[in-house]
Amino acid sequence: AQRVTQPEKLLSVFKGAPVELKCNYSYSGSPELFWYVQYSRQRLQLLLRHISRESIKGFTADLNKGETSFHLKKPFAQEEDSAMYYCALTGQGAQKLVFGQGTRLTINP
Amino acid sequence: EADIYQTPRYLVIGTGKKITLECSQTMGHDKMYWYQQDPGMELHLIHYSYGVNSTEKGDLSSESTVSRIRTEHFPLTLESARPSHTSQYLCASSEWGTGNGYTFGSGTRLTVV
Repeated sequence: AQRVTQPEKLLSVFKGAPVELKCNYSYSGSPELFWYVQYSRQRLQLLLRHISRESIKGFTADLNKGETSFHLKKPFAQEEDSAMYYCALTGQGAQKLVFGQGTRLTINP
Repeated sequence: EADIYQTPRYLVIGTGKKITLECSQTMGHDKMYWYQQDPGMELHLIHYSYGVNSTEKGDLSSESTVSRIRTEHFPLTLESARPSHTSQYLCASSEWGTGNGYTFGSGTRLTVV
């Protein structure tokens, strides 16, 4: 079975500080992982995908198959990063995304 | 502009009423999904469809039903609304293969009084 765990429901950091949002997954096959973000009063949108290995808005995430993790990181947080972040998983050939519980990130000025 | 649209944005309705939440996408995506987003903001898949005349129940049991008569349209219906149905309902679509992820609609916030 597919499962995604985001252990922190709330995370608060100061502007300019590094931020790391944790995501652990459980899946027996080869996973495809994503981070989605939901800003206040906006729709849920894709932030980044592990297969593209890209950096979006300064965020990066590395898939660690040994630790079954896909943590989201940014070296210097900005106030506009305050939002709800969801980690999501699907398996190769599978069609459904399974979401974690979400982490609400607050960047303090 | 190619996008996914949900109506209404907000709905307040009395117990026992029948309601239909609309979802349409103009991206030509085969796959469509309905998620329920609870007050703690967790997302639960309640229905999905891989194409016309294909519908499946998701991981969270729901009293709602869906239909997929046209590729672009995936409405969700509650025959008899109850206060326990109060939630945010999100519709999403994706191309075949999820490598590009999902595109989500703006959601319908349903309140049953």
